[in-house]
Amino acid sequence: AQSVAQPEDQVNVAEGNPLTVKCTYSVSGNPYLFWYVQYPNRGLQFLLKYITGDNLVKGSYGFEAEFNKSQTSFHLKKPSALVSDSALYFCAVSANTGGFKTIFGAGTRLFVKA
Amino acid sequence: DARVTQTPRHKVTEMGQEVTMRCQPILGHNTVFWYRQTMMQGLELLAYFRNRAPLDDSGMPKDRFSAEMPDATLATLKIQPSEPRDSAVYFCASGLVSPRADQPQHFGDGTRLSIL
Repeated sequence: AQSVAQPEDQVNVAEGNPLTVKCTYSVSGNPYLFWYVQYPNRGLQFLLKYITGDNLVKGSYGFEAEFNKSQTSFHLKKPSALVSDSALYFCAVSANTGGFKTIFGAGTRLFVKA
Repeated sequence: DARVTQTPRHKVTEMGQEVTMRCQPILGHNTVFWYRQTMMQGLELLAYFRNRAPLDDSGMPKDRFSAEMPDATLATLKIQPSEPRDSAVYFCASGLVSPRADQPQHFGDGTRLSIL
């Protein structure tokens, strides 16, 4: 069965510092991995995805994520955090099995302090 | 930009009343999802449709919830009768599933439901 774990409920970082939001996954077959961001009173917005190829994926708003097959991880990163990055971040995984369902993690709340 | 549209954005009603939430998926998308988000449970998948056919509604309380897609431009989620524990934000998302499950989902901004 597919699963996603986001081990941190909350991440705090100072503005200008690098940030990392962690995600590990479990899936049968080749994973398709996604990051979404949710701002207050809004739906989830797609940030980036990994399908195949280069392990470092670049996405919207300066975010990137690194796929690590041996560690089954897909951590979200940004070199320099902005206060406006404060939001709820979701990691998700899907595969060409299990009815093509996407499984979302529990979410990690990011606080960026000025 | 094409968007998923959900109505109403907010709904407050009394316990026992019927609630209907509507979703207009992005034109051309063949898969529609209904999610519920609460502080305690996080994001839960209630049901999803592909080409208007229900594929999985195992996440939905069957006795009071129902989901339908009467046509390609409209998905509905109904609760009858509603209970206070149904209070949550309900999201609709649409996506395009081709031979691979590698396309992202596009979410609406949700219906915030309060059952008194």
